[in-house]
Amino acid sequence: AQSVTQPDIHITVSEGASLELRCNYSYGATPYLFWYVQSPGQGLQLLLKYFSGDTLVQGIKGFEAEFKRSQSSFNLRKPSVHWSDAAEYFCAVGASNTGKLIFGQGTTLQVKP
Amino acid sequence: DAGITQSPRHKVTETGTPVTLRCHQTENHRYMYWYRQDPGHGLRLIHYSYGVKDTDKGEVSDGYSVSRSKTEDFLLTLESATSSQTSVYFCAISERGQETQYFGPGTRLLVL
Repeated sequence: AQSVTQPDIHITVSEGASLELRCNYSYGATPYLFWYVQSPGQGLQLLLKYFSGDTLVQGIKGFEAEFKRSQSSFNLRKPSVHWSDAAEYFCAVGASNTGKLIFGQGTTLQVKP
Repeated sequence: DAGITQSPRHKVTETGTPVTLRCHQTENHRYMYWYRQDPGHGLRLIHYSYGVKDTDKGEVSDGYSVSRSKTEDFLLTLESATSSQTSVYFCAISERGQETQYFGPGTRLLVL
């Protein structure tokens, strides 16, 4: 069965520090992978996606993610975190041609001044 | 931003009452989805639609039904609400399967 694991429930980083959020997936075929961000009380906003091609994907707000098939991972990175990045981050895998998404449990990012 | 609205945005109801949530889109996208969000579970798919009158179940469909009589509207009905259905409900749309899904603002439902 398809699944997504985000091992870190909460992460705290200092403003200006680098960030890496982990995502591991289980899927039998080539996955379609997404990272979404959710600010408190808001809906989800797409940060970036991987469908095929270059395994390093650039997204909005300075985020990037790297697809590593051998590790079944799609980790999200940012070189320098800003206070406005504090939010909850969700990794998701597209499960079939229906477009059904399987989400991870989410990682809450806190940014210290 | 994708043109997606959800109504109501907040609702308090009592156990055993029927509840209908509405998702409305102005993008003419074929696919529409209903998710629920609960702490520790991320988002879980309830039902989805791949066209007018074409719907299918997601992973947590028990106690929910849906209808889609026109492209722009996707209704989620709780036939007899239970406290376990207290959650935040999100609608999403996509132009095609396995394309990016765009999410609505959510509906916060409290079942007492």
